[in-house]
Amino acid sequence: DIQMTQSPSSLSASVGDRVTITCRASQGISNYLAWYQQKPGKVPKLLIYAASTLQSGVPSRFSGSGSGTDFTLTISSLQPEDVATYYCQKYNSALTFGPGTKVDIK
Amino acid sequence: QLQLQESGPGLVKPSETLSLTCTVSGGSISSSSYYWGWIRQPPGKGLEWIGSIYYSGSTYYNPSLKSRVTISVDTSKNQFSLKLSSVTAADTAVYYCARQGRITISAGGYMDVWGKGTTVTVSS
Repeated sequence: DIQMTQSPSSLSASVGDRVTITCRASQGISNYLAWYQQKPGKVPKLLIYAASTLQSGVPSRFSGSGSGTDFTLTISSLQPEDVATYYCQKYNSALTFGPGTKVDIK
Repeated sequence: QLQLQESGPGLVKPSETLSLTCTVSGGSISSSSYYWGWIRQPPGKGLEWIGSIYYSGSTYYNPSLKSRVTISVDTSKNQFSLKLSSVTAADTAVYYCARQGRITISAGGYMDVWGKGTTVTVSS
């Protein structure tokens, strides 16, 4: 089974900071990688799919990159409403979520 | 606007079978473009995919849960359902249903529309 890891597990940054979250697959998954945002007590929301395609309606400060085994989610300028846990997910054949990265404001 | 709504008992006894239904409104579950999936989230923990189904009845499951999971579809009611047998306290979670884009003949992809989730507690 392909395992997904994320780093860091949590981070604290200031408003306006550039934030980068890394997701790694234990085997190559091409670009079958999505990112979700889950705010406290809320339903997960799709941010990015196919590693780098922004879902409709998602602010352009969010971006994704990578292919194969290494992927990143970048928030170019952190906003207070971005406080959430972010999950990566691989979706070639069986679906697997990463463990999540909790982002808050310093 | 496509909406998904989970329904079912909020409390299940240990060793019994958890049964949930997801009702799809604002669109057809029989679309050739989508799979329909179940995901769960134990309290304070991360997301876990349970399994997914195509309107034809084709399914695929999380290998770690496969022996206990059955997902079925009722196209006449625009619903799909989850059954999880032999539950324990470890199955206590918020259960979500979601729509997945179909990426291959036998698999769906990312989840772009989610239900609000339903909390299921396993306790005697």
